[in-house]
Amino acid sequence: GEKVEQHESTLSVREGDSAVINCTYTDTASSYFPWYKQEAGKSLHFVIDIRSNVDRKQSQRLIVLLDKKAKRFSLHITATQPEDSAIYFCAASDYGSSGNKLIFGIGTLLSVKP
Amino acid sequence: DAGVTQTPRHEVAEKGQTIILKCEPVSGHNDLFWYRQTKIQGLELLSYFRSKSLMEDGGAFKDRFKAEMLNSSFSTLKIQPTEPKDSAVYLCASRGQQDTQYFGPGTRLLVL
Repeated sequence: GEKVEQHESTLSVREGDSAVINCTYTDTASSYFPWYKQEAGKSLHFVIDIRSNVDRKQSQRLIVLLDKKAKRFSLHITATQPEDSAIYFCAASDYGSSGNKLIFGIGTLLSVKP
Repeated sequence: DAGVTQTPRHEVAEKGQTIILKCEPVSGHNDLFWYRQTKIQGLELLSYFRSKSLMEDGGAFKDRFKAEMLNSSFSTLKIQPTEPKDSAVYLCASRGQQDTQYFGPGTRLLVL
């Protein structure tokens, strides 16, 4: 089955800088890659996704890049703000015999320092 | 528009007890997922229902964990008997026609 590796367990940036979180996956059949944000003490909140028919998607300050050849995708947060501080999870779809599931990375704790 | 709701938000159980966690998916969503979240293991899928049919029962979690969908708008996760290693946050998520899963607020379980 699918495996997702999230490369940075922690990331610290200064307010206004960009933050980049990288993930890799193993299953070439994966076609859907969402990102979730989890603030302290709260649940996961969907932020952005990308499908395999495109290699770039932007929503305001969030950019997702997908490199299907390298089986790698990344989340770029531009002009970071203190409220971006949270744990970010990447995920990849797994279309196995038991249906359409998501496999999650372990999470990256992003700290944005003023 | 109501999102995914979960009750209780917090639960404290003695080892060996039976506990039942509840989830109501977003109205109209056909897919429902139960996850366990811990710092060490991250997010682990426990169960996955599609239109009330059990698609995935979480392999290693089978013996003491049982999820059910009593109807299309209500699901339960029973842990019987509880063990201290079950202490975690239990998350429920639902999905409609699109691929996006929407998560509930979670139940924080502490087993003493």
